[in-house]
Amino acid sequence: SQQGEEDPQALSIQEGENATMNCSYKTSINNLQWYRQNSGRGLVHLILIRSNEREKHSGRLRVTLDTSKKSSSLLITASRAADTASYFCATRTVGAQKLVFGQGTRLTINP
Amino acid sequence: EAEVAQSPRYKITEKSQAVAFWCDPISGHATLYWYRQILGQGPELLVQFQDESVVDDSQLPKDRFSAERLKGVDSTLKIQPAELGDSAMYLCASSQSGLAGGESYEQYFGPGTRLTVT
Repeated sequence: SQQGEEDPQALSIQEGENATMNCSYKTSINNLQWYRQNSGRGLVHLILIRSNEREKHSGRLRVTLDTSKKSSSLLITASRAADTASYFCATRTVGAQKLVFGQGTRLTINP
Repeated sequence: EAEVAQSPRYKITEKSQAVAFWCDPISGHATLYWYRQILGQGPELLVQFQDESVVDDSQLPKDRFSAERLKGVDSTLKIQPAELGDSAMYLCASSQSGLAGGESYEQYFGPGTRLTVT
């Protein structure tokens, strides 16, 4: 079963622009993680935000978490062609031991 | 940098045949995960090991799928018999621990095995 739902399903922007992806989930979480997947490859961990955190930064990435709205957003600033990939949010719900991944957002950066 | 190893990278098999995938996690990682990813969707957990013990196999189709991690290091996922609907990417991941204190450590993924059942 899918816990997180990403929005939009696909996003295409010009290089240098910012990209924003959203994730909504249904039940209370311990933490939320974002992963990137290049075509046909494994996933790479980007950032983890805990339920008691509201914002986190890592390089060109900014993640926000609003537990009252059960939603998170991933912002990639100054996008590059190499950012072209699928981005997944994954949640660990309270009392559970596993991560549940959403369906992903396919991001395309046009040169 | 340590990586999760998987083999084979690609596998084509006929339906009703048996197929096996192998995963070697990052050294020292106690938790190992097998995921199935259908094209265009997110990964779905099939089985989670803590050392050699299964802690979650609720989504594993046990009539045809089996997984083992006998010595708590590398792991094998088997499908017998394979069905057309099993065509997918099979991903292995590992983490330091999946259970400690309610925290989730980041998971490190291997490159995956792309299975095509004909």
